[in-house]
Amino acid sequence: EDQVTQSPEALRLQEGESSSLNCSYTVSGLRGLFWYRQDPGKGPEFLFTLYSAGEEKEKERLKATLTKKESFLHITAPKPEDSATYLCAVGMDSSYKLIFGSGTRLLVRP
Amino acid sequence: DSGVTQTPKHLITATGQRVTLRCSPRSGDLSVYWYQQSLDQGLQFLIQYYNGEERAKGNILERFSAQQFPDLHSELNLSSLELGDSALYFCASSPSLAPNTGELFFGEGSRLTVL
Repeated sequence: EDQVTQSPEALRLQEGESSSLNCSYTVSGLRGLFWYRQDPGKGPEFLFTLYSAGEEKEKERLKATLTKKESFLHITAPKPEDSATYLCAVGMDSSYKLIFGSGTRLLVRP
Repeated sequence: DSGVTQTPKHLITATGQRVTLRCSPRSGDLSVYWYQQSLDQGLQFLIQYYNGEERAKGNILERFSAQQFPDLHSELNLSSLELGDSALYFCASSPSLAPNTGELFFGEGSRLTVL
């Protein structure tokens, strides 16, 4: 069964304390892996697309990496405004839909 | 602002009732997706329409139905509502049938509360 699992469920960091979020996946025929950010009461907002193992993408304090089984979202020197839920999703060759993980709730304290 | 408009933003209704949620996609986007988000389930894919035709279906209940109209707006109809249907319902749009970039543009959601 196609599955996406994110860990940890929740993460509290001090401002400036770097860390990583994990997304592991089991799908047949990965079309791409996608990261989204969701603020409370809002819809998810697209961050990155990764297509193949070894690929990396960066945006400000965020860096996403991909292996054959998992993806990491590295957050370097986070700020309070980085607090949000980060969602990972996969697209498959056999389907048009995206399957989302349950997300990691990140709280960055000043 | 993603350009995707959903109405209503909030809806409170009783069990057994029927509601309709509406979505206007970004200008030019042909694909519309519906997702359900509840606290214990995360974002669950319900259904996708592309240019008026149903193209992908998730675990959508038989009590739920959707359609996409010629002007590309979409409606999600939820009937015989149960307490467990309380959730945030998101609409998303994309220009193509299978967005290879993975970039879906989400609306702000419709929060449904069933009492």
